[in-house]
Amino acid sequence: KQEVTQIPAALSVPEGENLVLNCSFTDSAIYNLQWFRQDPGKGLTSLLLIQSSQREQTSGRLNASLDKSSGRSTLYIAASQPGDSATYLCAVSPTTSGTYKYIFGTGTRLKVLA
Amino acid sequence: DGGITQSPKYLFRKEGQNVTLSCEQNLNHDAMYWYRQDPGQGLRLIYYSQIVNDFQKGDIAEGYSVSREKKESFPLTVTSAQKNPTAFYLCASRDSALHNSPLHFGNGTRLTVT
Repeated sequence: KQEVTQIPAALSVPEGENLVLNCSFTDSAIYNLQWFRQDPGKGLTSLLLIQSSQREQTSGRLNASLDKSSGRSTLYIAASQPGDSATYLCAVSPTTSGTYKYIFGTGTRLKVLA
Repeated sequence: DGGITQSPKYLFRKEGQNVTLSCEQNLNHDAMYWYRQDPGQGLRLIYYSQIVNDFQKGDIAEGYSVSREKKESFPLTVTSAQKNPTAFYLCASRDSALHNSPLHFGNGTRLTVT
């Protein structure tokens, strides 16, 4: 059964720091992995989607990598800003489900201090 | 602008009452999903639908029901049989015609049952 883990659960960093968020999954048979951002009391906003055949995706200050063989993905945030404060979740879509169902991690709550 | 609208944002009900949460999308997506989010837990799938008039149970369907009479609408009913209905409910959709299309979310409905 696919399981997704995100460590640490919470992280505080000073403004301007580059940081890495981690996502681990137990089964490499996935269609893709998606990173989301969630602000308090809001829905999830899609940040990046990495297909199983890709190694990384970039959008602005965000870079996500995927290593299927080791079951790991990282989200790199460059030059962090207070506006980046949010919970970041990753989710994988297992091929074994037969449909596009996603398994979510519990998220990393990020606080960027001004 | 295209998106997913969930209503209401907050909902309060007495124990023993059924309640229906609305989800409407104008993204022309075939696939729609309902997730439940509880503190400290990842999103858990309640029901999903890949086409009109068809839907499947997710991992925690007991005490919930759905319908999919129109492509743009996927309402969720929380019945009195759901033992712990207080939670944050999120509706999502994706374009199932594209192999790796991202998941889009609404802004959620927070249900409190007392």
